[in-house]
Amino acid sequence: EAGVAQSPRYKIIEKRQSVAFWCNPISGHATLYWYQQILGQGPKLLIQFQNNGVVDDSQLPKDRFSAERLKGVDSTLKIQPAKLEDSAVYLCASSSVTGKRLYEQYFGPGTRLTVT
Amino acid sequence: SQQGEEDPQALSIQEGENATMNCSYKTSINNLQWYRQNSGRGLVHLILIRSNEREKHSGRLRVTLDTSKKSSSLLITASRAADTASYFCATSGGGNKLTFGTGTQLKVEL
Repeated sequence: EAGVAQSPRYKIIEKRQSVAFWCNPISGHATLYWYQQILGQGPKLLIQFQNNGVVDDSQLPKDRFSAERLKGVDSTLKIQPAKLEDSAVYLCASSSVTGKRLYEQYFGPGTRLTVT
Repeated sequence: SQQGEEDPQALSIQEGENATMNCSYKTSINNLQWYRQNSGRGLVHLILIRSNEREKHSGRLRVTLDTSKKSSSLLITASRAADTASYFCATSGGGNKLTFGTGTQLKVEL
């Protein structure tokens, strides 16, 4: 079974520039999550999708961050414009809505963003 | 915001020893999960304990949960160098939304 795919793995941009991250979840997983992990901290949920609908985006800074999952499969997270404090690893995860491993989240390798 | 606080922040032990890390949380939960993160394999799910369970085992892992104290502990027995990683507890209050703690950095020395 292929894992969660993310690209790019690394990105360096200047502040005020835009950036986009892509995620392809495990096949058949209806729920997709984007997390932000700042160095030395645990991951913080930004947005949760079930199929192509948003379940929770309460911690997404909506003035600069946006995310979509148009066909209920892969997803894109965008930051526009970036700030220095957005430097972090952006993790995508997915989970199933059925089965024994219902509550387990499977994480991708992450995208390390550096804003200069 | 971080729901869980792990303790200790960092732990260094010798190979073969047991490692215990603790997690405290603030609000009621449906389940509590432990994840491991290292540079090689990223963030990986280890074990889940439901709010109506008190103890769970998986291989060399033992997790306990005390909902009255809002705390959990993870015990790794007979540790190996490969167990060197950061360990996070994550709580779910419903809807499968996870709130992660601050993590414990475990170093297992040969």
